[in-house]
Amino acid sequence: KAGVTQTPRYLIKTRGQQVTLSCSPISGHRSVSWYQQTPGQGLQFLFEYFSETQRNKGNFPGRFSGRQFSNSRSEMNVSTLELGDSALYLCASSFQGENTEAFFGQGTRLTVV
Amino acid sequence: DAKTTQPTSMDCAEGRAANLPCNHSTISGNEYVYWYRQIHSQGPQYIIHGLKNNETNEMASLIITEDRKSSTLILPHATLRDTAVYYCIVNNAGNMLTFGGGTRLMVKP
Repeated sequence: KAGVTQTPRYLIKTRGQQVTLSCSPISGHRSVSWYQQTPGQGLQFLFEYFSETQRNKGNFPGRFSGRQFSNSRSEMNVSTLELGDSALYLCASSFQGENTEAFFGQGTRLTVV
Repeated sequence: DAKTTQPTSMDCAEGRAANLPCNHSTISGNEYVYWYRQIHSQGPQYIIHGLKNNETNEMASLIITEDRKSSTLILPHATLRDTAVYYCIVNNAGNMLTFGGGTRLMVKP
């Protein structure tokens, strides 16, 4: 079956702009989580959505937001981009989110200039 | 904060078993031990997970001590393609994973 698909794979944005990233989970998976990976901070949890509701949230400013649609596809948005938002953004899907494995996409590499 | 402690790096000879240790002394009764790995610039890949019994799948074996305060991931015959960062995670919150620094495993010919 198809894996987790993230689009776009690469993105360059200017400071102050906003960006929307997309994630299509594995068919049948209802939980989608987002992570930010930077060389300095490593892999950090952003938020998790389950059945269109945000179930968990990491320690990130309000400029980072997300949503999930009825077909489980998810988007995350970052507003007022800062240079420090340059990172690999990863999406992971799992069947129900509890005590099951998560499957990651290849990520979106965001560069803010 | 991550609830696990792993060595920063390890080397392994190709074809030999790679044994990656992980300490999780504060693990609670309903937390599972998960292992993921990340090959350079790719998304993390699930390897295996367990609660208290040892587990084996086509990729690896997971040995959890009886007191559950530590575990070992075993790659029985390491290949060059197993070179990656390996993350040990204790988790009872499903798709909300707390990653630590992981162990950078280098498999050498």
